[in-house]
Amino acid sequence: NAGVTQTPKFQVLKTGQSMTLQCAQDMNHNSMYWYRQDPGMGLRLIYYSASEGTTDKGEVPNGYNVSRLNKREFSLRLESAAPSQTSVYFCASSDHAQYSGYRLGTDTQYFGPGTRLTVL
Amino acid sequence: QKEVEQNSGPLSVPEGAIASLNCTYSDRGSQSFFWYRQYSGKSPELIMFIYSNGDKEDGRFTAQLNKASQYVSLLIRDSQPSDSATYLCAGRGSNYKLTFGKGTLLTVNP
Repeated sequence: NAGVTQTPKFQVLKTGQSMTLQCAQDMNHNSMYWYRQDPGMGLRLIYYSASEGTTDKGEVPNGYNVSRLNKREFSLRLESAAPSQTSVYFCASSDHAQYSGYRLGTDTQYFGPGTRLTVL
Repeated sequence: QKEVEQNSGPLSVPEGAIASLNCTYSDRGSQSFFWYRQYSGKSPELIMFIYSNGDKEDGRFTAQLNKASQYVSLLIRDSQPSDSATYLCAGRGSNYKLTFGKGTLLTVNP
């Protein structure tokens, strides 16, 4: 099991360029998430997908779009990159987003290795 | 704004000592709590989760939850230099999303 994989590992963009960050998981998880991590700010949720076919905004969605391509894959798109989007991006997955009725621990999120994005 | 607050640190302990990491949360509807360890340049990895009031032990790690005080802690016994990392506390609130604290940097000195 590879767990959660992300591509690319590093990326440098110029302001205004677009790109898509890819994420895939092989744990048969229902829920997937995109976070960004900035120094002093902790991990902040950008978008999440509670189940295949659904997506919802997190804390900092502006400037991003997402696609839940299938159960395995969840991509994050920057349409017009800005220097403020320079960050480390993590994808995560969990069995279920909701607790009630499910086994304890199934809402545990497992993280990919991250993508380090610099926007010049 | 639902928040999770951690003591900012950095926290420095000698090898073999007990490291105590603390976290408070504002959302009384929070149902589950997680401690992650993050080495520099790496992704967060799960240490423990806790759902019920009281203590939960796993090897050298003990998580403690007090819902009345809205307080979560992580104790690391017999601290090792390999425990040096940033520790992230997270709570899953009534909106089913995880909210992370900003992390506490722990250094274990040989």
